[in-house]
Amino acid sequence: AQTVTQSQPEMSVQEAETVTLSCTYDTSESDYYLFWYKQPPSRQMILVIRQEAYKQQNATENRFSVNFQKAAKSFSLKISDSQLGDAAMYFCAYRSARDSGYALNFGKGTSLLVTP
Amino acid sequence: NAGVTQTPKFRVLKTGQSMTLLCAQDMNHEYMYWYRQDPGMGLRLIHYSVGEGTTAKGEVPDGYNVSRLKKQNFLLGLESAAPSQTSVYFCASSPRDRDGYGYTFGSGTRLTVV
Repeated sequence: AQTVTQSQPEMSVQEAETVTLSCTYDTSESDYYLFWYKQPPSRQMILVIRQEAYKQQNATENRFSVNFQKAAKSFSLKISDSQLGDAAMYFCAYRSARDSGYALNFGKGTSLLVTP
Repeated sequence: NAGVTQTPKFRVLKTGQSMTLLCAQDMNHEYMYWYRQDPGMGLRLIHYSVGEGTTAKGEVPDGYNVSRLKKQNFLLGLESAAPSQTSVYFCASSPRDRDGYGYTFGSGTRLTVV
């Protein structure tokens, strides 16, 4: 089974600054997808960004970008120009491209605090 | 378009009581999932279903049963609740495609077992 590790239980960033959240994973597969989800206090799970393992180009979505290092099995999330609304729990997740149910496998999460 | 709806949103049970959590989706998704979320543990897969009438165990299935009699509904049952089952439960659904964009979560059910 694939494991996803988020080594930072908590992170803090000042408004307008940049922060990077770390994620590593363990897999023997070559084809898979990686995700970052945001969970604000409302509990809603919100997809932030998605990366396809067969694409070398790092995904970007506005202020959010990833650094995908396939050989190192690393998938970090960079948040630029941090805003108060970015404060939330962030989960890294892995999904196999093999049709075995396509369940997401989550890390334990990183709580991001944004200070004014 | 409601997406994924979970009922109830909150519930308090006494140890030994039983209950069923209902998940309903209106997106015609083939796959459905139940996760539990505990502090410091992330979301862990309990059971999932790849189609009507089929279910499979996830990472933490003990103490739970599921049924998917209709494509749009996925039920999670606790036959004899235990305090260790105090958690937030999330249902999710997904189309049968590898891309992962259609993965949709419900808003969660907070269950407390006393």
